[in-house]
Amino acid sequence: SQQGEEDPQALSIQEGENATMNCSYKTSINNLQWYRQNSGRGLVHLILIRSNEREKHSGRLRVTLDTSKKSSSLLITASRAADTASYFCATEPNDYKLSFGAGTTVTVRA
Amino acid sequence: DTAVSQTPKYLVTQMGNDKSIKCEQNLGHDTMYWYKQDSKKFLKIMFSYNNKELIINETVPNRFSPKSPDKAHLNLHINSLELGDSAVYFCASSQGGRVHEQYFGPGTRLTVT
Repeated sequence: SQQGEEDPQALSIQEGENATMNCSYKTSINNLQWYRQNSGRGLVHLILIRSNEREKHSGRLRVTLDTSKKSSSLLITASRAADTASYFCATEPNDYKLSFGAGTTVTVRA
Repeated sequence: DTAVSQTPKYLVTQMGNDKSIKCEQNLGHDTMYWYKQDSKKFLKIMFSYNNKELIINETVPNRFSPKSPDKAHLNLHINSLELGDSAVYFCASSQGGRVHEQYFGPGTRLTVT
């Protein structure tokens, strides 16, 4: 079964707007990761946040983690057409195993 | 300069055939993975290998047989292909198995007719 679930399933925004997506997970974690997948491509790692961190930034990305609610959010600020992709959260229920959510598909309109 | 490469990129075959997908990484990582992504984009772990040893076999039918000849390669052989095997298969690698980002290959789109 999927450990993480992203919300919303799909998001359409205008270029320059911010995009926020959420991830909920079921069991305790050591860390949570976010990945991006462009159409027809492999996944690309964006950011990793550890369970003892509450917020992390990387360029235009901001990730928050609330372990009490078992949830995380990914914010993309000042979106660009190149941000059009699917975004996945991933947790590690066991060593050597990442469990992915179903993803949020983001479309940035020019 | 490709970090994780897979061949072939597309594979179209008939039910009952046997096929292989190859994966190579030049990152010096010690752990490699196979994932299956279905038409709804659900991505599920199939196998994990660390230093050529099988670590995770996620209840995959034994028609699927991974082989790791060395730390840089992890191949996937599939026997007696079925319609339900149609999916995109991704290879990935990481250094260590925990708290490390994974690097993904471009994927192999397998279509079974």
